[in-house]
Amino acid sequence: SYELTQPPSVSVSPGQTVRIPCSGDALPKEYVYWYQQKPGQAPLLVIYKDNERPSWIPERFSGSTSGTTVTLTISGVQADDEADYFCQSADTSSNSWVFGGGTKLTVL
Amino acid sequence: QIQLMQSGAEVKKPGASVKVSCKASGFTSGFTFSNYGFGWVRQAPGQGLEWMGWISVYNGKTNFAQNFQGRVAMTTDTSTSTAYMELKNLRYDDTAIYYCARGYIFCTGDNCSVVLPLDSWGQGTLVTVSS
Repeated sequence: SYELTQPPSVSVSPGQTVRIPCSGDALPKEYVYWYQQKPGQAPLLVIYKDNERPSWIPERFSGSTSGTTVTLTISGVQADDEADYFCQSADTSSNSWVFGGGTKLTVL
Repeated sequence: QIQLMQSGAEVKKPGASVKVSCKASGFTSGFTFSNYGFGWVRQAPGQGLEWMGWISVYNGKTNFAQNFQGRVAMTTDTSTSTAYMELKNLRYDDTAIYYCARGYIFCTGDNCSVVLPLDSWGQGTLVTVSS
């Protein structure tokens, strides 16, 4: 298996853009999935296959890749976006999954 | 998305076992419980998400994270559209919220596995290990 690395925390002012990176050696060949988790709630899928957005997620959420780093970008951040964000990927050779440590987004 | 309803909170003593259920509903026309797989994820207090394993309802195949091999079992009951996760020989550090989540089936020939994303999640089940 392998590891995914995220910064523990990021902060942003309302209306600004925030980028949350997730890095891992296998990411050039494995998809990344992003989940949002608010206190006391179950995780919610916000991005799948690096940059695809589920129908229930606003266009403000997007994903991008560059080498061994995949980035979740939230544009026009709102107070309601304050949450923990986790990246996830898979090791297709073993069909195992892994989560990043999570990033706490604070909206100032 | 589908709805996943998990069983209630549990308090167990060290060395005991716990079995958490996850009942699925709301499948759209043409798709049933058997078309999917389920992943189990846990979250210790104040910590991140930890993948435990997955089970394919389609062919019963399971895959467990190395940390849980030998201690975890996952099963499904197609008659009630319910997935189960049993963790044995509980330790204090097994205290956590346990989540089930729906995954998808991907087959290469006869080899079918559960793949991401996890797009529907249960509400979580708090398991407390305490003497």
